[in-house]
Amino acid sequence: LAKTTQPISMDSYEGQEVNITCSHNNIATNDYITWYQQFPSQGPRFIIQGYKTKVTNEVASLFIPADRKSSTLSLPRVSLSDTAVYYCLVGDTTNNAGNMLTFGGGTRLMVKP
Amino acid sequence: GAGVSQSPSNKVTEKGKDVELRCDPISGHTALYWYRQRLGQGLEFLIYFQGNSAPDKSGLPSDRFSAERTGESVSTLTIQRTQQEDSAVYLCASREPGTGRNNEQFFGPGTRLTVL
Repeated sequence: LAKTTQPISMDSYEGQEVNITCSHNNIATNDYITWYQQFPSQGPRFIIQGYKTKVTNEVASLFIPADRKSSTLSLPRVSLSDTAVYYCLVGDTTNNAGNMLTFGGGTRLMVKP
Repeated sequence: GAGVSQSPSNKVTEKGKDVELRCDPISGHTALYWYRQRLGQGLEFLIYFQGNSAPDKSGLPSDRFSAERTGESVSTLTIQRTQQEDSAVYLCASREPGTGRNNEQFFGPGTRLTVL
């Protein structure tokens, strides 16, 4: 399983763009990059997934460079409600191995008014 | 439709007692996961069920931990002779058959276990 490294915490202010970078130097060919968001006292929820280049949905964008050894989750114009822990996961989603996606410590994002 | 549900939402027990935690996955989801999350920590994988295949128990921390799943529905996680270090939130997640939509895991609200 590819190990991921992401900042422990980040602070931002309302209306700013937030970029959270995750390193995954030993990512494998079949691995996808997935980001989850977790609010206090709730289970994580899926935000976005990508394999390479850029993926955008209604919530965020995911930028993946050509070597795929890192990825950046971009949250446009954050609000107070975006305060949460963001997890970067790397794993092979094409097989059914149980431990294919491992949650690390995540990045605690604090959005201030 | 209904999401993943877990019960109880909170459980306080005494050291040495056994506890059972329940997870009701989303109907039709063949894959089911259990995770443990200690205060301020990330998620720790415990066990994975996929259809009728043998479960992946590689994350269970000791033989005091076990889990069962009835077909493709309810799962119970049992912790025997609980210890204070078992105190955590236990999260259950389910996933559609195959790779599903981006292989997304849908999480329940968790059970907060406190061992006194």
